[in-house]
Amino acid sequence: GENVEQHPSTLSVQEGDSAVIKCTYSDSASNYFPWYKQELGKRPQLIIDIRSNVGEKKDQRIAVTLNKTAKHFSLHITETQPEDSAVYFCAASSKTGRRALTFGSGTRLQVQP
Amino acid sequence: GAVVSQHPSWVICKSGTSVKIECRSLDFQATTMFWYRQFPKQSLMLMATSNEGSKATYEQGVEKDKFLINHASLTLSTLTVTSAHPEDSSFYICSASRDNSGNTIYFGEGSWLTVV
Repeated sequence: GENVEQHPSTLSVQEGDSAVIKCTYSDSASNYFPWYKQELGKRPQLIIDIRSNVGEKKDQRIAVTLNKTAKHFSLHITETQPEDSAVYFCAASSKTGRRALTFGSGTRLQVQP
Repeated sequence: GAVVSQHPSWVICKSGTSVKIECRSLDFQATTMFWYRQFPKQSLMLMATSNEGSKATYEQGVEKDKFLINHASLTLSTLTVTSAHPEDSSFYICSASRDNSGNTIYFGEGSWLTVV
């Protein structure tokens, strides 16, 4: 089955700096790669996603890149703000077979004011 | 956007009792729903895939007789934790996808279960 690895597990940056979180996946059939932000005790919130027919996607301060050949994808947050502090999860899923999301282990991002 | 509602948000039960958690898709039909469990400071782990009108598909290591899943309609899936024990205390969260591709998944609010 799919295996998603995520790193770093914790990331501390100064306000205004950029943050990068990286994930790798194992199943070449995976074609959907969302990123979620989760605050304690709440449901994950989708912040951006990318499908396998696209290499990069950007939404304001957030961007995601995908390298299908290397099976890795990354989240980039620019101009970080204290309210960006949360746990971020990457995930992967496939259109066929096991269609559920497989999550990475999570990254706790702390933005220091 | 699509809304998935989960109830209850939190529940406390005694060891040995059973607890039912409901997951409803409010504005779309979901032939497939997914149940996840999340322990503190850990990731979301898939427990089972709930299929409308058929048996759920459980992940390896998840006891199907302990975690009963019923998906009797296109808008409702239930997870029943039977004979709950303190180690079952966790955050349980469901998700559903609008289309058959399984992509674009919507999460319920999650349910905190504490077994005392």
